Amino acid sequence: KQEVTQIPAALSVPEGENLVLNCSFTDSAIYNLQWFRQDPGKGLTSLLLIQSSQREQTSGRLNASLDKSSGRSTLYIAASQPGDSATYLCAVDGGTSYGKLTFGQGTILTVHP
Amino acid sequence: GAGVSQSPRYKVAKRGQDVALRCDPISGHVSLFWYQQALGQGPEFLTYFQNEAQLDKSGLPSDRFFAERPEGSVSTLKIQRTQQEDSAVYLCASSSRTLHYGYTFGSGTRLTVV
Repeated sequence: KQEVTQIPAALSVPEGENLVLNCSFTDSAIYNLQWFRQDPGKGLTSLLLIQSSQREQTSGRLNASLDKSSGRSTLYIAASQPGDSATYLCAVDGGTSYGKLTFGQGTILTVHP
Repeated sequence: GAGVSQSPRYKVAKRGQDVALRCDPISGHVSLFWYQQALGQGPEFLTYFQNEAQLDKSGLPSDRFFAERPEGSVSTLKIQRTQQEDSAVYLCASSSRTLHYGYTFGSGTRLTVV
């Protein structure tokens, strides 16, 4: 059974810092990995999707890497801003023909001015 | 519509009451998923539809949970005889493809059972 773990569970940083969120998964037979953002009381917003054949994806200040063989992904946020404060969720798609996702528990990020 | 719409946004139910949660996916999206998110946890898979066919319901916690998508568009998740442990946010997601493509999530329905 696929298990996804995110470290740290919570992170508080001053504005402007670069930071790294970690995600690990137990079964390397995945189709893709996604990073989502969830604001309080809201649904999930997809940030980056990395296909299993890719090593990384970038969008603005965000960069996500994937090391499928070791079962790890990192989300790098450059020059953090208070507006980045949210819960960040990692999810892997694997083991089914239709894309069922297995999520980690999330990292709660607080960026203070 | 422009996004996945879920209703109601909030629902308070007395223990033992039946509830129905609605999901309006993006028009034309083939795949529809339901997930359950307990407080402080990541979402957990409940069930999957491809058009009107329910292809996987392995995540439904008990036979009190039932989902349908009769015309391949709107979906309803029904919970009978609600219990306190059913309190969670129920998220719906849809996708335009059946295989391993990104999803669009709705804002969820927060169910509180008292």
